Amino acid sequence: GQQVMQIPQYQHVQEGEDFTTYCNSSTTLSNIQWYKQRPGGHPVFLIQLVKSGEVKKQKRLTFQFGEAKKNSSLHITATQTTDVGTYFCAGDQGDYKLSFGAGTTVTVRA
Amino acid sequence: EADIYQTPRYLVIGTGKKITLECSQTMGHDKMYWYQQDPGMELHLIHYSYGVNSTEKGDLSSESTVSRIRTEHFPLTLESARPSHTSQYLCASRSGGRTDTQYFGPGTRLTVL
Repeated sequence: GQQVMQIPQYQHVQEGEDFTTYCNSSTTLSNIQWYKQRPGGHPVFLIQLVKSGEVKKQKRLTFQFGEAKKNSSLHITATQTTDVGTYFCAGDQGDYKLSFGAGTTVTVRA
Repeated sequence: EADIYQTPRYLVIGTGKKITLECSQTMGHDKMYWYQQDPGMELHLIHYSYGVNSTEKGDLSSESTVSRIRTEHFPLTLESARPSHTSQYLCASRSGGRTDTQYFGPGTRLTVL
C-alpha cells in the first residue's frame, strides 16, 4: 500500500530561524495536504497542493509539491513560538483516502 | 473552521462497557472518516464511508464498528471497551471532489480503565 514518510520526526528551532520538513511518498500522488496539530488539539488543514511543481505561500510558510508528485516540503521562515506543534503531510492517491506521514513535531527556543 | 462535531470530548469508562462515539457534520459531505491517534503519534485510518449505507474498514484493524444511516452522522461503536482502546479518536469529513480538503472534528479522548 501507499506509504508516506516524513522527516525529521522532531525539529528544535531557535526563535527566528528557518526550518524545513520533508514528505516522500512511495507512489505518485493525486494531491498532498498539510495539517498542523497543536498539543492537545486536532489536525487543522493548512493547504492542498495538486499540480506538479506547485509552490504556495502562506505568510512565513512555503509549500512545494515535487515535479514527480511524490514528494513535498514545508519551509517556515523566521520561526515564532506560535509555530509550535506537529505538522503532518497527507498524500492522496486519488481514492479519497489520505495516508498521513508520522509528522514533524516542532519546538521553539525563545 | 469546518462544521464537524464530536461528542463526548472526553470519556473515561470501565472495561467491558459498550460505548458509542458520535460524529456529525453540517456541510453535506459524502465522505467521512474515523482515525485513531495515540499522543504524539501518527493518525491511523480505522473506518471510512463514501456515502449513506457505505462503510469500509481502514488500514488499521479495529474492533470498533461504524454505521452511516444519514449523510451527516457517522457514529463509532465499541461493543466491549478494553484498556487497549485508550486513545484519541478523530472524525473527519470531505466533499466529493478529488481536490476537496478534509476537515477534522475536535476528537474524543477515550480512557478505558
